[in-house]
Amino acid sequence: QQQVKQSPQSLIVQKGGISIINCAYENTAFDYFPWYQQFPGKGPALLIAIRPDVSEKKEGRFTISFNKSAKQFSLHIMDSQPGDSATYFCAATYGGATNKLIFGTGTLLAVQP
Amino acid sequence: NAGVTQTPKFQVLKTGQSMTLQCAQDMNHEYMSWYRQDPGMGLRLIHYSVGAGITDQGEVPNGYNVSRSTTEDFPLRLLSAAPSQTSVYFCASSYFATGYEQYFGPGTRLTVT
Repeated sequence: QQQVKQSPQSLIVQKGGISIINCAYENTAFDYFPWYQQFPGKGPALLIAIRPDVSEKKEGRFTISFNKSAKQFSLHIMDSQPGDSATYFCAATYGGATNKLIFGTGTLLAVQP
Repeated sequence: NAGVTQTPKFQVLKTGQSMTLQCAQDMNHEYMSWYRQDPGMGLRLIHYSVGAGITDQGEVPNGYNVSRSTTEDFPLRLLSAAPSQTSVYFCASSYFATGYEQYFGPGTRLTVT
């Protein structure tokens, strides 16, 4: 059972364009929603994260939009660059005394020059 | 700080063989975990630990064993390797509470023939 559903599976964007990756979840016990970025041959690394009491968080060119009622959140990459080409994973964690990450299936982003 | 280190980087096993994947961190993190990454399935939690002497199962624990005798080390044991365990394995660590960044190691690519 996939608790965090991610789309699209792959995405091609022109340099300077906006990349949008969407995730949806079912479990309302999730209370922390990070995005991880993974380059080929490397481990994932935290990119940006949000808690459900905030509808939007922006860090540089990266923005998370969060819709608690719809149980959806998305990553927007503004002015996409070839260096942003990577696999992006959304994730969610349960509240309380644990830090277990439940990942989406990943989106392979290619930014064409 | 070395962060999270994993050895080996690559390993080929025959069906039925056993082996141990090593993971170590030097950040004094209480929480450590093992994930496997398979195409189209994202990262799935195998086992995790909230401190020395304490371990618990994740989503896909069958065929794997873990122990945590020190804060720094969290080895993953494959008891009798099967082709279905061909995957990339990542170890991660963080402070013990939801919302803290998880730091991932570089991964071990395992092939079982």
